[in-house]
Amino acid sequence: GAGVSQSPRYKVAKRGQDVALRCDPISGHVSLFWYQQALGQGPEFLTYFQNEAQLDKSGLPSDRFFAERPEGSVSTLKIQRTQQEDSAVYLCASSLEELAGGETQYFGPGTRLLVL
Amino acid sequence: KQEVTQIPAALSVPEGENLVLNCSFTDSAIYNLQWFRQDPGKGLTSLLLIQSSQREQTSGRLNASLDKSSGRSTLYIAASQPGDSATYLCAVLRSYNTDKLIFGTGTRLQVFP
Repeated sequence: GAGVSQSPRYKVAKRGQDVALRCDPISGHVSLFWYQQALGQGPEFLTYFQNEAQLDKSGLPSDRFFAERPEGSVSTLKIQRTQQEDSAVYLCASSLEELAGGETQYFGPGTRLLVL
Repeated sequence: KQEVTQIPAALSVPEGENLVLNCSFTDSAIYNLQWFRQDPGKGLTSLLLIQSSQREQTSGRLNASLDKSSGRSTLYIAASQPGDSATYLCAVLRSYNTDKLIFGTGTRLQVFP
């Protein structure tokens, strides 16, 4: 596709439910990032993949959050036993090279998660 | 810990005005700084990227400056238009071998006709 796509665009979950958020990066992009954006805040880094390797997961807020990119393309962010504080927009971004450095990150439209 | 702050949080102006959005960061040891635009329900779009060795970048009606030593960047929008209405975010990258963009909280801009 022409850009980064994410699905679903909106997700309403009951507290305690597990959710899975999908990201399709730009074809051929090596690097993939997940960010969490709370209402009225800037995005905060969650995790980074270089191909299928998760090189940095320091931003994941708890062990309820798990991300994978098994074939180095599509990535899934899974949140187990969702809590109300997990409500946010989850943004995925990709960039062409191994290290972002001076590379532009291309962002998807995000998945808006609401936990009731 | 790097903290990025943007002022003002919100701005509403009539069409045609020239605008300045401010971004400040606490740690001057950055690799680059980017300005993004975020439209409701859409992802972020990169507007300008300034390397730490540069002082400014220009694209059309947009001009971004960087004063690394004082920890500040400004985004100047000339002759604002209603289509400029969006949230503007600045983000810094600490070094070449880290990929964590650290974002500010954004400035929500509304330009009315």
